[in-house]
Amino acid sequence: KNEVEQSPQNLTAQEGEFITINCSYSVGISALHWLQQHPGGGIVSLFMLSSGKKKHGRLIATINIQEKHSSLHITASHPRDSAVYICAVLMDSNYQLIWGAGTKLIIKP
Amino acid sequence: DVKVTQSSRYLVKRTGEKVFLECVQDMDHENMFWYRQDPGLGLRLIYFSYDVKMKEKGDIPEGYSVSREKKERFSLILESASTNQTSMYLCASSLEFSGANTGELFFGEGSRLTVL
Repeated sequence: KNEVEQSPQNLTAQEGEFITINCSYSVGISALHWLQQHPGGGIVSLFMLSSGKKKHGRLIATINIQEKHSSLHITASHPRDSAVYICAVLMDSNYQLIWGAGTKLIIKP
Repeated sequence: DVKVTQSSRYLVKRTGEKVFLECVQDMDHENMFWYRQDPGLGLRLIYFSYDVKMKEKGDIPEGYSVSREKKERFSLILESASTNQTSMYLCASSLEFSGANTGELFFGEGSRLTVL
């Protein structure tokens, strides 16, 4: 069983739709990262959070420590949001990073 | 802006050749990482360094070695490249992980290695 599970694996939506990507984990963590990877590109950190909620532009990340769950939301989605979104957790026991498999998002015009 | 620079975006090597992949960061980060990324397998940690001359094996260290002689530079070495090492290699850096300072991650653009 993976310690970090992302859902869905693939998501296709129309421009303008509200997008939610989920990340569940089974270990104790110090922090959770959301990252973005465009096709052929490097990986960019979007958020690092350990509690509550963070917002940057049209992106919102939330985390529920008790439920061991985080969500990444995209409002008013746009084709340029098409990318792979990756969740990673930093374990609080040994500071090891554990990676989710990623969610491939395609936004159609 | 933090910059993580990988020496080569694309490399083609032959089986048995020695391969060096270099990574340089300019923000005095303690932590540096080498990952490989393969379709369907996500990111897998090869090696991790938390200080100069310090290294820790990741999940898949076999066939690889690393060198960190200076804080800003972390090199990945394939002593004798094999076809199953064809992959995208990603370097990352962060401040040290300690308590409240949990270290935002910064990645390089990646090096796509093809071993023929």
